[in-house]
Amino acid sequence: EIVLTQSPGTLSLSPGERATLSCRASQSVSSSYLAWYQQKPGQAPRLLIYGASSRATGIPDRFSGSGSGTDFTLTISRLEPEDFAVYYCQQYGSSPPDFGQGTRLEIK
Amino acid sequence: QITLKESGPTLVKPTQTLTLTCTFSGFSLSTSGVGVGWIRQPPGKALEWLALIYWDDDKRYSPSLKSRLTITKDTSKNQVVLTMTNMDPVDTATYYCAHHLWQKAFDYWGQGTLVTVSS
Repeated sequence: EIVLTQSPGTLSLSPGERATLSCRASQSVSSSYLAWYQQKPGQAPRLLIYGASSRATGIPDRFSGSGSGTDFTLTISRLEPEDFAVYYCQQYGSSPPDFGQGTRLEIK
Repeated sequence: QITLKESGPTLVKPTQTLTLTCTFSGFSLSTSGVGVGWIRQPPGKALEWLALIYWDDDKRYSPSLKSRLTITKDTSKNQVVLTMTNMDPVDTATYYCAHHLWQKAFDYWGQGTLVTVSS
């Protein structure tokens, strides 16, 4: 069972700044099957990134994913007001396809 | 256009069995590589994966909840059903179903349904 640890727990930034979120796995993630989701209050999660670095349909190019093995990063190049939300990583290369505990991105 | 919607009771009593139905459209659960999963989220807490069923009827369960969960599919009705036995107040959560592809993880989600466990 792969455990995902996200850091930081909370990230306080201003619109226009760059955000870097980390997801570390306890074991290597098979075939870079690592996804990132965004969740806003009262809404279902939305897939942002799959395969560690591929943007899902309709996701702006300010969102990018990188990494392999056990270390993965979600970068938001220039924060827009609508980007402040909670972000989760998930590995889906092996069962159980568990989620990380989330990073809350808040407005500074 | 892929859509999913969860349905079921909003309130269950402790020790009862919860049955949730995911009704979907825009895809077939008989297509190779396709799956439907269940994920829950207690109020104010993180996402927790519960179960996943694939087009070939392969089923996967959360190890910590495996003894309480059953997932089934009805391809003709475009539905996936999750049952969870012996409900407890700690199972109070919003339950989501989601479309799954091996390559793309959970790419489409239902709106979720809040289930409260209370006597």
